[in-house]
Amino acid sequence: EPEVTQTPSHQVTQMGQEVILRCVPISNHLYFYWYRQILGQKVEFLVSFYNNEISEKSEIFDDQFSVERPDGSNFTLKIRSTKLEDSAMYFCASSEVGGFGEKLFFGSGTQLSVL
Amino acid sequence: AQSVTQLGSHVSVSEGALVLLRCNYSSSVPPYLFWYVQYPNQGLQLLLKYTTGATLVKGINGFEAEFKKSETSFHLTKPSAHMSDAAEYFCAVSDPGSARQLTFGSGTQLTVLP
Repeated sequence: EPEVTQTPSHQVTQMGQEVILRCVPISNHLYFYWYRQILGQKVEFLVSFYNNEISEKSEIFDDQFSVERPDGSNFTLKIRSTKLEDSAMYFCASSEVGGFGEKLFFGSGTQLSVL
Repeated sequence: AQSVTQLGSHVSVSEGALVLLRCNYSSSVPPYLFWYVQYPNQGLQLLLKYTTGATLVKGINGFEAEFKKSETSFHLTKPSAHMSDAAEYFCAVSDPGSARQLTFGSGTQLTVLP
């Protein structure tokens, strides 16, 4: 089965630094997502992206966050100035089409640790 | 707003025993419901989903779940646990206000004892 690939698997950064988390969605998918899971908490929706623009975003996704599809294969999440509370596992996902009940394919995640 | 409650953050069963992972949801409209599984060092993988139609849904690896509207439940079952089923299981509901969002439960860690 095709896979969503995320790099790096672990990222350690200092508070206030910028980080970019990278994802390669499945090649024929058109919808892309970022979710995160703070240790011990639920998986939370951050943002969805389609046709080179944000479709929807949660209240977590503030001005510190941005997403980009810089080329035909990568999908990135940038955190401009990291805070301690940004430490979490970040999951990228993609789907072939959007809509109710659509199957999301998730990557294995990037564990971000902000010191 | 949607919400999902998974009863039991940790469940242990013996190999060959019934697996029952509980999920209850709240929704103001008929929801779409999902179970995802996460094996160590891997991403979330869809086990099964309910959208419309038959309320008993069969998924991969012998799992099934039944949508019970009257109980607002979507419990996951498997008749006979296998060691390879040890993983974390997440129940999720689609947000009717946003077809692209999933609201997840807090997860249940399943341990299978030999």
